[in-house]
Parts: sequence; C-alpha cells; structure tokens
Amino acid sequence: QSVLTQPPSASGTPGQRVTISCSGSSSNIGTNYVYWYQKLPGTAPKLLIYTNNQGPSGVPGRISGSKSGTSASLAISGLRSEDEADYYCAAWDDSLSGYVFGTGTTVTVL
Amino acid sequence: EVLLVESGGGLVQPGGSLRLSCAASGFTLNSFDVNWVRQAPGKGLEWVSYMSSGGMGIYYAGSVMGRFTISRDHTKNSLFLQMNSLTAEDTAIYYCAREGDDDSDAFDIWGQGTLVTVSS
Repeated sequence: QSVLTQPPSASGTPGQRVTISCSGSSSNIGTNYVYWYQKLPGTAPKLLIYTNNQGPSGVPGRISGSKSGTSASLAISGLRSEDEADYYCAAWDDSLSGYVFGTGTTVTVL
Repeated sequence: EVLLVESGGGLVQPGGSLRLSCAASGFTLNSFDVNWVRQAPGKGLEWVSYMSSGGMGIYYAGSVMGRFTISRDHTKNSLFLQMNSLTAEDTAIYYCAREGDDDSDAFDIWGQGTLVTVSS
C-alpha cells in the first residue's frame, strides 16, 4: 500500500479553486522533493509540478504546488473541464530506497 | 521529437516470464536516470524500478525485488525490464519514464505504456 495519503476525490464548479493534500512522513516528503502528476484515462502520466512548487513549461500558472513539513498540496485555480483527471503526488523515500506515489485523487468538475 | 516507446507486453501464464523494452528517440537514454512505473487495472500508480544514468545505481520496489531486473543497452538506446515468476498481481500497464537532466529527478518524459496480463 502507498505511504503517501491523498483524499480519494475532490470537486468544484468551473472557475473555482480545488486543493489536493498529500500526507507523508519524515522519510519521504519531510526530506525530499515532492512531484505531482496528472493521469487521464488511456494516456501516460504528465508531470505537473516538480521540486515541490515548480511548474514545467506548458503547465498553466493556475496550477501550483506547495510543501510544509511532511505534507504537500496541489492547487488548481480557475477550474476547467479539462482538469478532470486523477492526480498523484510522489516523492523519494529514504527508508524504502525508492519512489512512492500517493493514493491518487480524482478531480471532478461539476 | 523526444519519445519513449514501450513494447513487449502481452498475456503470460502465472509463473511465467516477460521482457519489456523501452526505446528512446530524440535523445540519448544513457545520459538519463530512468524508471519503470506500473498501474494495475482500477488502481493507482506504483513505482517499480530505477536505474541511474551510469547504471551503477539500481533500486526496486519491494513487491518485485528478486523477480524483476532492470537493464539498459546503450547501443540500442533502450531500457529493459525482465520480469520473472509473474503473478496476477503483476497485471498492469507498465510505463518507462525518464528523469529530467536538471537534477530535479522529475519524471518528465513517459512512454505510452505496454499492457501485461498474467492469467491462466
């Protein structure tokens, strides 16, 4: 089972702000970078946020990440229909000597 | 264009073996750290294995340790995953992913995935 815990679902109406939490421990989020990936059905995961809060080119600025202690968050502002997807946090875990992914959060645009 | 293309998936019986390939184009795969990640049907993403650019650093998830082997062939610009002693729990789409060259360790390029089904 995953060592990074996310809420199973989140939702909002178009234009609203949605936040997704990711709870870990001192061996992963507490000491290493956090990454966020978007997964649409039938497609490969896409990098959204790297090194806690940096967005790759091509990812809109309304998507942001943050980290505090052993938790991290992804925020999507100005929610749009194309944001409907599964979102996963990830981090290296020093105790496991491997990457760990979050349990995943399904975002629904109402 | 920078691409990763997986192949080698298919139907295999429990206890069987399969070798997945991940061919890179548009860049030299050997210069990058690489990973395998899988997603079982209806489940979340699960990291499987990592190999450093020099090949000296190799790590596996506990669920595949001792059964899976990651390797690469620089002459073919490709990454491989040898999977032995397969069980139904290994049924998943397997993705290869490159870590960016900016020390961020982000999985910036992913393949489209190859489906592995373990069933009798």
